[in-house]
Amino acid sequence: DGGITQSPKYLFRKEGQNVTLSCEQNLNHDAMYWYRQDPGQGLRLIYYSQIVNDFQKGDIAEGYSVSREKKESFPLTVTSAQKNPTAFYLCASSTATYGYTFGSGTRLTVV
Amino acid sequence: AQSVTQPDIHITVSEGASLELRCNYSYGATPYLFWYVQSPGQGLQLLLKYFSGDTLVQGIKGFEAEFKRSQSSFNLRKPSVHWSDAAEYFCAVGARGGYNKLIFGAGTRLAVHP
Repeated sequence: DGGITQSPKYLFRKEGQNVTLSCEQNLNHDAMYWYRQDPGQGLRLIYYSQIVNDFQKGDIAEGYSVSREKKESFPLTVTSAQKNPTAFYLCASSTATYGYTFGSGTRLTVV
Repeated sequence: AQSVTQPDIHITVSEGASLELRCNYSYGATPYLFWYVQSPGQGLQLLLKYFSGDTLVQGIKGFEAEFKRSQSSFNLRKPSVHWSDAAEYFCAVGARGGYNKLIFGAGTRLAVHP
């Protein structure tokens, strides 16, 4: 079955450490997105990519980086510059005619 | 500025009662409109969407939503709530055409009493 796979489901980061969250889709969707979810704030867009080797900053890109070397993959790196990284991270993909498909999320905790 | 407002943070209803979740948006033109549902610790599942045409949209799990242009609203309804409907619900808007990022409301958490 087609879908989006996010891994790991839980991730712990030490102070000053970079961590990478994986997002893979087999839906043949062109566009992919990363959202951050905090309680009471809904979803906020971090980065998005409409084609391979191209991506744009969303509303809260500071402290994050992405790459899009393959259509299927859109990994997100949370760098040490992100001062408050504890959150639930959601990856999504879509076609040009819409229909966001979401992964099941990664919960990142700073320890 | 583009925005989505879900005025109710928490709603509690009894099982079998009707439900209406409110969503208001601010957008330059008529956007695409969506409702998503999220169970704890999970991703979001699309309930229904409005692109054009009939302003009353039917979705999965017995949900429907009505687009009212004059009120900039897209409220979600269900005539009889089941205990399994307890979850968080998000309204979202996006620009028409192409790959466009969605703007989400803050969500409404629904609790269902037996």
